Parts: sequence; C-alpha cells; structure tokens
Amino acid sequence: RKEVEQDPGPFNVPEGATVAFNCTYSNSASQSFFWYRQDCRKEPKLLMSVYSSGNEDGRFTAQLNRASQYISLLIRDSKLSDSATYLCVVIPTGTYKYIFGTGTRLKVLA
Amino acid sequence: DTGVSQDPRHKITKRGQNVTFRCDPISEHNRLYWYRQTLGQGPEFLTYFQNEAQLEKSRLLSDRFSAERPKGSFSTLEIQRTEQGDSAMYLCASSLASSEAFFGQGTRLTVV
Repeated sequence: RKEVEQDPGPFNVPEGATVAFNCTYSNSASQSFFWYRQDCRKEPKLLMSVYSSGNEDGRFTAQLNRASQYISLLIRDSKLSDSATYLCVVIPTGTYKYIFGTGTRLKVLA
Repeated sequence: DTGVSQDPRHKITKRGQNVTFRCDPISEHNRLYWYRQTLGQGPEFLTYFQNEAQLEKSRLLSDRFSAERPKGSFSTLEIQRTEQGDSAMYLCASSLASSEAFFGQGTRLTVV
C-alpha cells in the first residue's frame, strides 16, 4: 500500500462548480499535512496547510480526519485558473520527509 | 529573486556519463530536500539535509546517486553512470524548521 494515495483523475468540471478531492495516508502517526498545487511542467507550490480543526482560504477548504486517516480539499466556484494537479503531502512523525501523493488532475471547463 | 534556484534547468546526457546538479536554497532555510518526479507521478523523496548533515536517504536511491551540502548552504546531487531510467525532473526544496517546503523549478534530465 502506498503511504499517500490520491485518485489521479482527471476531474473535469464546469466553471463555477464545487469539487472535492480526498487523500488517504497509511501512517497513523503522521504529524503535518499540506496541499500543494502543480501546474504543467512547473514546480509544486504550497496551496495550504491542513490543520486538525480544518481551515479555509477563500474558495478553498481543507479538512483532516485523523480517525479515518484522510485529508480533503474542497474548491468552491471553480475558475479556469484552478486547472492544475493537486498534490497531497504528509509528514510522518519522527521525520521531516515530505511524502507526496501521485496528485489529482483538475480541469475546469468553460 | 530569493527563491530556490536550481542549475542547470535542462541536461541531456549520454548513458553512462556522470551528471551533477546544483541547488541553492532560500538563504535562511536549514533543511534541503531532493526529489525526483516522472510524468504522471508525484515527487518521490530522494534525500534531505539539516544544515550540512544528510539525515535520511531513500532506499530507492542506488549507490550511483550521491548528494552533498558541504557548508550547509548549497547542495549538489551527482548521478554516476547514468541510465535511461534516470530520466526525470529532479526537484530541490528548502524549508525552515517544520514550515512548508519551497521548491525550485527543477532540473530536467534526459538520458539518451
């Protein structure tokens, strides 16, 4: 089983739609969680950190469910510019190694 | 530009040759990471440093790969006797303590 698993997609959604991605992780002792965004042939960039209480940044909401070992990302009112690959990142306890999922591709259609 | 800098951006090499990549992290960042990414996959961890100490190295990293960070600032990643399977994007990232990691634009390696 992979340490971090994501549905690779692609998710094709119309502009204005709400879309949600989930990511599961295998190490229950994981301590830190992030969502990164990666545009085609570019480097990954931090989208948001994920906190136990959940957090929101504009149209983006991230949540953590430690009991079920998954994190989620919700994007409301999708824009064409949201088209990208969204990477789930987990840092297991006792290490500072960022473990990436394979990424979920999102295409927002006009 | 005060971000993570990688050099070269692209490298084409013949199978069997050695290649070396350089990464200059954000200046105050004490942690430096190397990742490899192939098409359709997420970045795969190779190794990381805290200051000049190499703290962890992936089991996937063969003996042909070596990384250094001699003065706790820039880092180099060397691949000896390159193989076609080494073709990938090599990404460097840096971070401060447990904060988020910032990535460089990567070095794209093609082994022919």
